[in-house]
Amino acid sequence: AQSVTQLDSQVPVFEEAPVELRCNYSSSVSVYLFWYVQYPNQGLQLLLKYLSGSTLVKGINGFEAEFNKSQTSFHLRKPSVHISDTAEYFCAVSDDDKIIFGKGTRLHILP
Amino acid sequence: EAGVAQSPRYKIIEKRQSVAFWCNPISGHATLYWYQQILGQGPKLLIQFQNNGVVDDSQLPKDRFSAERLKGVDSTLKIQPAKLEDSAVYLCASSLFGLGGGTEAFFGQGTRLTVV
Repeated sequence: AQSVTQLDSQVPVFEEAPVELRCNYSSSVSVYLFWYVQYPNQGLQLLLKYLSGSTLVKGINGFEAEFNKSQTSFHLRKPSVHISDTAEYFCAVSDDDKIIFGKGTRLHILP
Repeated sequence: EAGVAQSPRYKIIEKRQSVAFWCNPISGHATLYWYQQILGQGPKLLIQFQNNGVVDDSQLPKDRFSAERLKGVDSTLKIQPAKLEDSAVYLCASSLFGLGGGTEAFFGQGTRLTVV
């Protein structure tokens, strides 16, 4: 069975500072990994995804994530955050059948 | 390209009443999903359709929840009777095919249900 653990429920960070949102997964088969963002009162929007190949994946809005198979992690990073990045971020894992979401990490940008 | 459309955006009902949500997926998308997102949690899959057939409804509380996708396009999700714990955001999503190969799911804005 698959599962996703997002280690931090909330992450405060100052504007223009770097941020890392952590995600660990477990699965008995090869998986695909995703990060979605949810702005207030909106649905989920795909930030980036890892299917295969290069372990460093670049997404929209300056975000990137690195797939680490040995540590079963897929952490999301941004070198300099903006107030507009205030949102909830969900890590997700998928096999061929379904997609399982983590509980989410709320990113607070401090002025 | 139009996105996934959901209505209504907000709904407040009393417990034991019934409610229905509507979803129109992106044109041409074969797979449609309904997720329940309780405050502070990630989305949980309730039901997955492939065209008009059910692929997975293992987490759908079938004693009170029902969903249909009669013509393989739009879908309705119904709760009857509602309980307080059904208060959540109900998200509809669609994908071109199933999730095989890492196909992306596109989400609607959701319907926020409050049961009082």
